[in-house]
Amino acid sequence: GQNIDQPTEMTATEGAIVQINCTYQTSGFNGLFWYQQHAGEAPTFLSYNVLDGLEEKGRFSSFLSRSKGYSYLLLKELQMKDSASYLCAVRRGNRDDKIIFGKGTRLHILP
Amino acid sequence: GAVVSQHPSWVICKSGTSVKIECRSLDFQATTMFWYRQFPKQSLMLMATSNEGSKATYEQGVEKDKFLINHASLTLSTLTVTSAHPEDSSFYICSASSGNSYEQYFGPGTRLTVT
Repeated sequence: GQNIDQPTEMTATEGAIVQINCTYQTSGFNGLFWYQQHAGEAPTFLSYNVLDGLEEKGRFSSFLSRSKGYSYLLLKELQMKDSASYLCAVRRGNRDDKIIFGKGTRLHILP
Repeated sequence: GAVVSQHPSWVICKSGTSVKIECRSLDFQATTMFWYRQFPKQSLMLMATSNEGSKATYEQGVEKDKFLINHASLTLSTLTVTSAHPEDSSFYICSASSGNSYEQYFGPGTRLTVT
């Protein structure tokens, strides 16, 4: 079966740091994505992890532990425009390129 | 690069009619295209995967006779919602993969409202 869990909602303050966790149990694993989605818009790519460890890209960092089935997205120096949903998604790989999405975490940024 | 477009961006139709949504890769050849549906405040649910020139593979619970998918060329896939009902009202998003990269490129989505 496929199971991707992440918190439904989180709230943080402008300028602060927030960590969004994701755990997964999937039949097959060939990488984990994080996407940002503003209401009414398509998702935009943030990061991709296939090996264990931390990937840093500007204010955003993503971490993966394959043995634990765990990832997190770290957002630093939060800005109001970071208010959005953040989707954790797993590519099962091998025979196909399907990406299975978690339900998303709605992040609210307070001034 | 790697731009995917969808047309129309929004559509309103009457119950019982059919609606076609186009997904185009503008600057690359998409060997595989994916169709997702997203209800308000829900995540993306994969409906089907289509490869150019072959029949689409539908996810469990998705009616293939209701959601017709045609991947006629390496740059175009279409989703036709047949005999639409109000419960089909949703945000439909396509994505495309060239097979050369791990990334899928998403279109801007189509908002379908069935009255």
